[in-house]
Amino acid sequence: TQLLEQSPQFLSIQEGENLTVYCNSSSVFSSLQWYRQEPGEGPVLLVTVVTGGEVKKLKRLTFQFGDARKDSSLHITAAQPGDTGLYLCAGAKGRGADGLTFGKGTHLIIQP
Amino acid sequence: GAVVSQHPSRVICKSGTSVKIECRSLDFQATTMFWYRQFPKQSLMLMATSNEGSKATYEQGVEKDKFLINHASLTLSTLTVTSAHPEDSSFYICSARSRLEQFFGPGTRLTVL
Repeated sequence: TQLLEQSPQFLSIQEGENLTVYCNSSSVFSSLQWYRQEPGEGPVLLVTVVTGGEVKKLKRLTFQFGDARKDSSLHITAAQPGDTGLYLCAGAKGRGADGLTFGKGTHLIIQP
Repeated sequence: GAVVSQHPSRVICKSGTSVKIECRSLDFQATTMFWYRQFPKQSLMLMATSNEGSKATYEQGVEKDKFLINHASLTLSTLTVTSAHPEDSSFYICSARSRLEQFFGPGTRLTVL
């Protein structure tokens, strides 16, 4: 059973456009993390959101955690070719003692 | 962020042999480490939770006798794939917990011929 539904799975847009990636679940998570993974490498942590309704910004990336802590979104403004990659959301049920449940990932391609 | 290393980064072995993969937390101590597996074009799937000084906890469907985990120190966990078969070929990634976050190693590409 896939507990985290991530969408879209694939997205190809032009440089300069905005985009949003969604991560939804029927389960409540104590925290949710967003990672970026390059081919042949491990995921690199972008951000952790913990509080319902929380919004975090990382340059052109904006992360939101839903009020009920069941969903999250990643918004990229003015996408650049360097943003190309696989973006993964992952939820934690407990206070860190549990492994993460990953979404299927979003393959993002930004065309120059 | 915290640094996690894995060794080897790539291994090719014959069917029936065993392969050991090491996961180290370089600048912090981790009482809990995790092992994930990732098949091509797919996301990460949790295999097991490695606890320092105690037995690992395996996810449903993961054979504990095939994937041996040892977490002998606060900075090292090992995963041994015993009697490897071609279907075990995959990208194995470990992570170590630091506070609420997990930091991932660079992964180990296992190819079983």
